[in-house]
Amino acid sequence: SQQGEEDPQALSIQEGENATMNCSYKTSINNLQWYRQNSGRGLVHLILIRSNEREKHSGRLRVTLDTSKKSSSLLITASRAADTASYFCATDAKDNYGQNFVFGPGTRLSVLP
Amino acid sequence: EAQVTQNPRYLITVTGKKLTVTCSQNMNHEYMSWYRQDPGLGLRQIYYSMNVEVTDKGDVPEGYKVSRKEKRNFPLILESPSPNQTSLYFCASRDRVATEAFFGQGTRLTVV
Repeated sequence: SQQGEEDPQALSIQEGENATMNCSYKTSINNLQWYRQNSGRGLVHLILIRSNEREKHSGRLRVTLDTSKKSSSLLITASRAADTASYFCATDAKDNYGQNFVFGPGTRLSVLP
Repeated sequence: EAQVTQNPRYLITVTGKKLTVTCSQNMNHEYMSWYRQDPGLGLRQIYYSMNVEVTDKGDVPEGYKVSRKEKRNFPLILESPSPNQTSLYFCASRDRVATEAFFGQGTRLTVV
């Protein structure tokens, strides 16, 4: 029961450019979160946006949430080589008390120097 | 330092030989879960636990067991590993539902 689907699957940009990744999900949610994974390592939490929020910022990250379209986007501004990683969205379904904190397949971002 | 610790980091084993991957967290979190990560499939939840002695199946529980006898530990048990369980495994903990998850560093398991 895969909930989140990121798009694109892979993205390659030059350092200094902005990177935008999208996430779509299927059911009503409590919140949506974005995580980063450096090659083969554990996931690191980036940002959480609740269902009653539309936009959230954290440093160079900007996340938007459109519950009517069941979609979210993650924007990384002024990208750096160190931003090269895979990015995943994850959702907590509404009224879902712990079951299936579900991740999408991820977007692999390459930032070229 | 707040952390989730998995052991071992790497493991090569043979088909049918029982193994346990340990997971421990030092944040007093109630919620813990196990995921496996395979290329193109993202992370799939194997089992989760909402508190001590409370465990439940995720999306891909077949071939796995878990236990939650203490709040801090959530071991993953493969009673009879098979090659299709070759994967990268992650343990995660959360304070409660709808908060951020903390992940272990991963266990790369190869079953030959």
